[in-house]
Amino acid sequence: AQSVTQPDIHITVSEGASLELRCNYSYGATPYLFWYVQSPGQGLQLLLKYFSGDTLVQGIKGFEAEFKRSQSSFNLRKPSVHWSDAAEYFCAVVVRDDMRFGAGTRLTVKP
Amino acid sequence: SQTIHQWPATLVQPVGSPLSLECTVEGTSNPNLYWYRQAAGRGLQLLFYSVGIGQISSEVPQNLSASRPQDRQFILSSKKLLLSDSGFYLCAWSETGLDGYTFGSGTRLTVV
Repeated sequence: AQSVTQPDIHITVSEGASLELRCNYSYGATPYLFWYVQSPGQGLQLLLKYFSGDTLVQGIKGFEAEFKRSQSSFNLRKPSVHWSDAAEYFCAVVVRDDMRFGAGTRLTVKP
Repeated sequence: SQTIHQWPATLVQPVGSPLSLECTVEGTSNPNLYWYRQAAGRGLQLLFYSVGIGQISSEVPQNLSASRPQDRQFILSSKKLLLSDSGFYLCAWSETGLDGYTFGSGTRLTVV
């Protein structure tokens, strides 16, 4: 079945540490890939997206993600996490014009 | 620039009461419109999407319905709310469906 998987439900990192959030998809073709961030009680904000071309994409707030076709992955990274990055992060894919989301990864940042 | 408005921000309704959540988009025409629900501790579930006036596709059969009476207006309704309808409802729009979605700020619905 087609799906988007975020293996980590909750991740805790120390402020200033690096971050990697995992996302795997299972679709027949290469989908369009997205990462969103959601602060508590808020809507979703687009961090970055991948359509084609360079497999390393840069987003807002210092985030980047790398598309690896061989691993069907689109992991989100940040070299140094700030306390304000604490939020829920969603990976999403668009296939045939509608967007499907992973279950999300909640990020806690320790001081 | 395009903006999306969603209201109300919070709503507490008794079981069996009707529901109407409204979403409007400004600064674009003929957008794709979407309603998602986010239950506590869970991901986003696509409920309805619309590619044009009067065109509604339902993803999940339930006691909710959606309508698009105008090009940039998308309404989520229910005739009788259930406890299980509680959640965070998000409206979104996109130009083509392939370019990423822009989300509204959400409505927190609590059915009591």
